Amino acid sequence: SAVISQKPSRDICQRGTSLTIQCQVDSQVTMMFWYRQQPGQSLTLIATANQGSEATYESGFVIDKFPISRPNLTFSTLTVSNMSPEDSSIYLCSVVPGDVNTEAFFGQGTRLTVV
Amino acid sequence: AQRVTQPEKLLSVFKGAPVELKCNYSYSGSPELFWYVQYSRQRLQLLLRHISRESIKGFTADLNKGETSFHLKKPFAQEEDSAMYYCALYTGGFKTIFGAGTRLFVKA
Repeated sequence: SAVISQKPSRDICQRGTSLTIQCQVDSQVTMMFWYRQQPGQSLTLIATANQGSEATYESGFVIDKFPISRPNLTFSTLTVSNMSPEDSSIYLCSVVPGDVNTEAFFGQGTRLTVV
Repeated sequence: AQRVTQPEKLLSVFKGAPVELKCNYSYSGSPELFWYVQYSRQRLQLLLRHISRESIKGFTADLNKGETSFHLKKPFAQEEDSAMYYCALYTGGFKTIFGAGTRLFVKA
């Protein structure tokens, strides 16, 4: 299994500013995933963070807006840059520990409100 | 194309009634399917996986390869079952595809 600590759990930010979300896993994992979740709605994959290489972004998401760091196998950050009210959402960190244990584990989420 | 489809965004049933949350998938290989659940103010977590063939909290899901479906069922819904449910497909390489989710509301 994997235990994920994600912080902050929530924040209210001014438009035009940036917020960095941290995700810490209690074991080494190859990939870490960042999702956006509108309350009560679908999960949208933002990007996949690999250690030692640039993150892979999904269609509609770009590095300038959502820069990601992955300094080691247990930690990643997602920054939401130059925020606007449209960025208000829940951001989730997730991992799948391995190809044997294929269950996905999630952080508790970061509820972001941009005013 | 790899895809998971949950046709219902919202499902509302009365307590004690049967419930079925639909899930269909598209995948060329041998599918590995899951149901995840998110209760209010809790993190998203695994409910069950098809490989285990187990019943969790009274829920079961059977993989039907002919119909490419993995519907989640419970014979008698309880109020505490109210939550957001996601069907998911593991596609290898540590990656998972999620359906759009179905919100289940069980009325007293």
